[in-house]
Amino acid sequence: AQKITQTQPGMFVQEKEAVTLDCTYDTSDQSYGLFWYKQPSSGEMIFLIYQGSYDEQNATEGRYSLNFQKARKSANLVISASQLGDSAMYFCAMREGLQTGANNLFFGTGTRLTVIP
Amino acid sequence: EAGVAQSPRYKIIEKRQSVAFWCNPISGHATLYWYQQILGQGPKLLIQFQNNGVVDDSQLPKDRFSAERLKGVDSTLKIQPAKLEDSAVYLCASSLGPAGGVGETQYFGPGTRLLVL
Repeated sequence: AQKITQTQPGMFVQEKEAVTLDCTYDTSDQSYGLFWYKQPSSGEMIFLIYQGSYDEQNATEGRYSLNFQKARKSANLVISASQLGDSAMYFCAMREGLQTGANNLFFGTGTRLTVIP
Repeated sequence: EAGVAQSPRYKIIEKRQSVAFWCNPISGHATLYWYQQILGQGPKLLIQFQNNGVVDDSQLPKDRFSAERLKGVDSTLKIQPAKLEDSAVYLCASSLGPAGGVGETQYFGPGTRLLVL
């Protein structure tokens, strides 16, 4: 089973509007972390926001917020007041607990967001 | 603070040739990762170092891929001989470390785009 699922290959949003990018995850660990990264056409992965499995409040970073629904195993990214510069690929990723000793990230397949002027 | 540096940015080779990629992590970061990102997919971990020791290389095709991190700072990833399916972006990332924290953020370099003809 896929650890991270992003079901939206592409999304469009009008400039200044809000958009939600979906992410569901699969893990049996109690301790895990969820991340969102932005990848512009230049190729670099830019860290946006983090949510820990034990965090009671949804994470927020400026215009980015994470809608964390633990029971549904979803961690959707909300971008408010979209800007043209937000056009990029967005990846959801998860790091599971400490059992294996490694802490690599498992990534989804990404969602391409296009902001329309 | 300087980010993760990678070189070259682009490389075109013929199959069966060899190629090497270089990565210099953020200063002070103990953990270094190499990811492979095939077009249309999310990054997949190849190898993870903590200082100069290997933490996880379970996804590294060891018959053709090798990596080293001498002196626990910069790292080199080599492919020999290259196959057509190795065409991808190779991303290097680093984190403060040590390996194991679910909330530890990985910071990525710009990547090396490899095309194997």
